[in-house]
Amino acid sequence: QQQVRQSPQSLTVWEGETAILNCSYENSAFDYFPWYQQFPGEGPALLISILSVSNKKEDGRFTIFFNKREKKLSLHIADSQPGDSATYFCAGLPRPGYQNFYFGKGTSLTVIP
Amino acid sequence: NSKVIQTPRYLVKGQGQKAKMRCIPEKGHPVVFWYQQNKNNEFKFLINFQNQEVLQQIDMTEKRFSAECPSNSPCSLEIQSSEAGDSALYLCASSLDWGENYAEQFFGPGTRLTVL
Repeated sequence: QQQVRQSPQSLTVWEGETAILNCSYENSAFDYFPWYQQFPGEGPALLISILSVSNKKEDGRFTIFFNKREKKLSLHIADSQPGDSATYFCAGLPRPGYQNFYFGKGTSLTVIP
Repeated sequence: NSKVIQTPRYLVKGQGQKAKMRCIPEKGHPVVFWYQQNKNNEFKFLINFQNQEVLQQIDMTEKRFSAECPSNSPCSLEIQSSEAGDSALYLCASSLDWGENYAEQFFGPGTRLTVL
């Protein structure tokens, strides 16, 4: 069973637009949600993360909106740049400790200049 | 930027052959994770360590997969008898001691395994 789902599978936006990437999860116990950015040939790198006690987290052009009741979150990338073209993974974790992340299958973002 | 080192970057094996890959975690990180990322971008957790001790592992790793993190040596993941379905990107990640807090996992670039 896929614990974390992402949509859309792929997304194309123009430079300067806001890209919206969606994520939903099954396990109500999930408490920590990191978003990872992965470029071809590289490993994932942490972009931004949020705890379930918050409903919004901003870091520069990147913002996470979190809705605990609906078990949904979204990553907004404002003023998208061609260098943002990558695959973005949403992940969930139920509690601190030595737990593996549950990753979604990713959204492939292409930003057209 | 992550300083997790993985070698080799690419590995090609025939079915039934052993496949071994190595990981040097970021300095000072006692926790090491191994994930398998398949061509559909699905991540599968394999095993994790704190220092030299196994913390968690899935059933798959108890059969054909073996892993270790000896002191003063790279961590390693070995597939005893490779199968075509093992073809994937194997990612190593390291983190600080989680304790009561969430700690970021820093990923290496991965080892791309192709089993012919």
